[in-house]
Amino acid sequence: DTEVTQTPKHLVMGMTNKKSLKCEQHMGHRAMYWYKQKAKKPPELMFVYSYEKLSINESVPSRFSPECPNSSLLNLHLHALQPEDSALYLCASSQRQPYYEAFFGQGTRLTVV
Amino acid sequence: DQQVKQNSPSLSVQEGRISILNCDYTNSMFDYFLWYKKYPAEGPTFLISISSIKDKNEDGRFTVFLNKSAKHLSLHIVPSQPGDSAVYFCAASDSGANNLFFGTGTRLTVIP
Repeated sequence: DTEVTQTPKHLVMGMTNKKSLKCEQHMGHRAMYWYKQKAKKPPELMFVYSYEKLSINESVPSRFSPECPNSSLLNLHLHALQPEDSALYLCASSQRQPYYEAFFGQGTRLTVV
Repeated sequence: DQQVKQNSPSLSVQEGRISILNCDYTNSMFDYFLWYKKYPAEGPTFLISISSIKDKNEDGRFTVFLNKSAKHLSLHIVPSQPGDSAVYFCAASDSGANNLFFGTGTRLTVIP
């Protein structure tokens, strides 16, 4: 199993809503990441978890809250988002840091209205 | 400030010929480099990587070359196939800082 599974694939939410993005991998990888990708731009790193501990937070606004309940799961909790937060959110995992052969999920297309 | 740059937003190549995708970086601390392929509405797929202690890595039709003095790497695809048509991202990592930076991508179109 070399898959990183992200749910949902699409999400539309209002600015007052609370929602969560989910990511799961069963490759035994101990590093997991959240990226944000806007149209025609490269993916931008948001958060890195290493051995279930947050190791990198790239100055992401507090309306994005990551959580790593166990070594296979990674969540991204969303609250009071802005329309400019609309983007493709990608989850990735790798055997360990640094990023040797990180595997990416298909992403969640988020639209904030 | 874009630390990894792919100056060609698009490239068209005839099937069977060589595709050469280029990437430049500015941070001399980068010590690991990767190429990813991305189709629309999908996550990036890892293709090939190279450590800064090497100058070439080959995997089937894909070869990555690294020129550290020029802070330049390239991906060669030979022979190119229509299924190779996608957006290719170069990425660079400073393993000491545990980060990964992506280039802006090059859209490759292989013409049958």
